[in-house]
Amino acid sequence: SQQGEEDPQALSIQEGENATMNCSYKTSINNLQWYRQNSGRGLVHLILIRSNEREKHSGRLRVTLDTSKKSSSLLITASRAADTASYFCATFLSGGYNKLIFGAGTRLAVHP
Amino acid sequence: NAGVTQTPKFQVLKTGQSMTLQCAQDMNHNSMYWYRQDPGMGLRLIYYSASEGTTDKGEVPNGYNVSRLNKREFSLRLESAAPSQTSVYFCASRKVSDSNEKLFFGSGTQLSVL
Repeated sequence: SQQGEEDPQALSIQEGENATMNCSYKTSINNLQWYRQNSGRGLVHLILIRSNEREKHSGRLRVTLDTSKKSSSLLITASRAADTASYFCATFLSGGYNKLIFGAGTRLAVHP
Repeated sequence: NAGVTQTPKFQVLKTGQSMTLQCAQDMNHNSMYWYRQDPGMGLRLIYYSASEGTTDKGEVPNGYNVSRLNKREFSLRLESAAPSQTSVYFCASRKVSDSNEKLFFGSGTQLSVL
């Protein structure tokens, strides 16, 4: 089974609204990463948060991490139609930096 | 800079046929990965190579073999393709360092096994 699970599976919003996606994971982690995938394309790294961090910002992205609840959230503020994509969380299994395991993803649709 | 290059982009096979998916990176990265992505699902790790000369199984290795030919190239082989291997395959690479843990992905190979 996959390490991370995103919630919701799909999200539909209007331009200008905020989009929040959640990720839960099962084992202890060293860091958690978020990736974006445009339809039919490869994944692109968005942001990484380490296990000793609680919040991180990058442009319109805000990521939080709660290691006690084994969960993370990705907030995209002031969404644009170009943000339409699938978003995945990923973690290295504890004890190593080799196996990066992905969740099933959240499909975000931003309507003009 | 090409980044991670995968060939072919599309392939149709008949059940039982064999083929090799090629992946090359020009970023001098140490680690390379093969993932598969089925419709509506996330990526599942098939095999990875932490460094040149080493390979290890991921989550779903059955039915696949890999070769880390050199630092640049990491190939994935299907010896006897099955319909269950119909998927999009992604190769990725990573420069191993304390502060650089993100993966760079190729654009994928869409494989159909009939």
